[in-house]
Amino acid sequence: QVQLQESGPRLVKPSETLSLTCTVSGGSVSSGNYYWSWIRQPPGKGLEWIGYIYYSGSTNYNPSLRSRVTISADTSKNQFSLRLTSVTAADTAVYYCAKEAMAVTGLFDSWGQGTLVTVSS
Amino acid sequence: AIQLTQSPSSLSAVVGDRVTITCRASQGIGSDLAWYQQKPGKAPKVLIFDASKLGGGVPLRFSGSGSGTDFTLTISSLQPEDFATYYCQQFKTYPLTFGGGTKVEIK
Repeated sequence: QVQLQESGPRLVKPSETLSLTCTVSGGSVSSGNYYWSWIRQPPGKGLEWIGYIYYSGSTNYNPSLRSRVTISADTSKNQFSLRLTSVTAADTAVYYCAKEAMAVTGLFDSWGQGTLVTVSS
Repeated sequence: AIQLTQSPSSLSAVVGDRVTITCRASQGIGSDLAWYQQKPGKAPKVLIFDASKLGGGVPLRFSGSGSGTDFTLTISSLQPEDFATYYCQQFKTYPLTFGGGTKVEIK
């Protein structure tokens, strides 16, 4: 059973860069034909897919965030990371890392517990 | 991007009620739709995928139907543990998108 855990600063200042890491256990970010995604949820609102990194290292981002987002992987630590630049209060959200199911691409079958990141000075 | 419109946005029901939630896609997505349940402070959990297939360990009172642009999640007999928010999600094309959610509350 794959388990995911988000980590990173909980408070980020406006205009700065949000950085989060997802540590994966029970699976490998560099094998298995998996897509590893970031998803966010502003307080009291719905879910927004941010992007993924494929086990091969290729990435795909939501066009709404593409200019500010980078997702990368550190295979030696079995982690993948999110960087979101030039943040504003609108980027305040619970950020989840998640794995897409092997048999059903685009279906999220494993999630981290989520971490609330607040953008405020 | 494909937009998903859920209705209602919230509903009140009692234990034992039959509950139906709908999800409409802005363009056809075949059967590439999932339903998730989310409880406060928790990550979403898959209930239904491929529009009508039950996720692992999901009770049989949950069912899904539909194809193309119109989809339905039904809870045949609402249980206390079912009070939560439900989201549909399409995985036909990227960017992956979610509906706005339906909050099921106790009447």
